[in-house]
Amino acid sequence: AQKVTQAQTEISVVEKEDVTLDCVYETRDTTYYLFWYKQPPSGELVFLIRRNSFDEQNEISGRYSWNFQKSTSSFNFTITASQVVDSAVYFCALAGRAGANNLFFGTGTRLTVIP
Amino acid sequence: SAVISQKPSRDICQRGTSLTIQCQVDSQVTMMFWYRQQPGQSLTLIATANQGSEATYESGFVIDKFPISRPNLTFSTLTVSNMSPEDSSIYLCSVDGSRGQGGGYTFGSGTRLTVV
Repeated sequence: AQKVTQAQTEISVVEKEDVTLDCVYETRDTTYYLFWYKQPPSGELVFLIRRNSFDEQNEISGRYSWNFQKSTSSFNFTITASQVVDSAVYFCALAGRAGANNLFFGTGTRLTVIP
Repeated sequence: SAVISQKPSRDICQRGTSLTIQCQVDSQVTMMFWYRQQPGQSLTLIATANQGSEATYESGFVIDKFPISRPNLTFSTLTVSNMSPEDSSIYLCSVDGSRGQGGGYTFGSGTRLTVV
């Protein structure tokens, strides 16, 4: 069974602070994919990153970085120097064999960046 | 990555009526996924739609309530039948639109349904 846990329901930070969103997953698949999506107040889902289970390299994209650790089944997301525009709900998701399986979503973390 | 056109974007419906939501993808895809997002909640899979076969429904969702059509590899519809206020949610369709390029699953813009 697939399961994604985002223990942080809501986080508030002051602008320019760094913030880390936690994601822990469970799967029996040997090949799987992990994702992060952003859902701003407008409601659309914005794709942020896809990582496959064979690639444990951390990734940095601008102010965003992701730490994937198979040993702890975690895929954490850090925003550096947060901005008000980062305020949104962030979902971590898991898929088995890509194209064959749907995404299993965590419950989401609502991030509020205070100016 | 794939692009999905979903409509309507929102609707207000009377209880007891039905609403059909359409998703058009700009490329052929094997599977399309339908999700529900209740207010303040995460996304829950309703069903997986394959062309040429019946949709596969998740526990708690039944075909009589959420009939799905998948007439070809670029189009699908989800109908919410005999609606009640509890059906008020955002409904989204999705495909794996990465085309092997490492991108994400693509989502439609969602249908925000309010049942009164």
